[in-house]
Amino acid sequence: GAGVSQSPSNKVTEKGKDVELRCDPISGHTALYWYRQRLGQGLEFLIYFQGNSAPDKSGLPSDRFSAERTGESVSTLTIQRTQQEDSAVYLCASSSWRSSYEQYFGPGTRLTVT
Amino acid sequence: AQSVAQPEDQVNVAEGNPLTVKCTYSVSGNPYLFWYVQYPNRGLQFLLKYITGDNLVKGSYGFEAEFNKSQTSFHLKKPSALVSDSALYFCAVRDGDGGFKTIFGAGTRLFVKA
Repeated sequence: GAGVSQSPSNKVTEKGKDVELRCDPISGHTALYWYRQRLGQGLEFLIYFQGNSAPDKSGLPSDRFSAERTGESVSTLTIQRTQQEDSAVYLCASSSWRSSYEQYFGPGTRLTVT
Repeated sequence: AQSVAQPEDQVNVAEGNPLTVKCTYSVSGNPYLFWYVQYPNRGLQFLLKYITGDNLVKGSYGFEAEFNKSQTSFHLKKPSALVSDSALYFCAVRDGDGGFKTIFGAGTRLFVKA
């Protein structure tokens, strides 16, 4: 079936505005991950979901960041009161126990805060 | 808590020569180890993984990696590099005895010169 999809692909927003980033995982994948990748940097873990619960939110940078997941489906990452340092590519990945949890990544959302 | 180190920001190799991209890890339980590749303007792709069993694992595009428990390493190798292998490579680790949180290294940029 289809791979992991993310929307929007690009988002330009003004400092102080809220943004919502969406991730559609591969059907049947129970685990879903969010990462942040700043320009030229590695992947920074934000949060993961097992089903619709989030056992580990330790990577969320501040209380301006939140995420939710509906069942074993769509996830939304929300950033409130955006700051310029939030500018990055936000990557979503999903995985399944059937493949020993290797992750399949979406194309990412490039967020630019002006 | 798990961690990953990729000690080289960049590796340069001539086409046809063998390549090695280094990775060391720290995890309290059994390590699940992964390599991913990010080609320019393309998403992250899974290359190979070690979960259990044979210490030498083979993956996509002729790549292989050797798990060394005593040295806590999982170096990526290829016998003969191609120009098309030029990309950004990430090592990742998950604690197999814990949850699904996966930590990625900072990445190593591989340049293969013709």
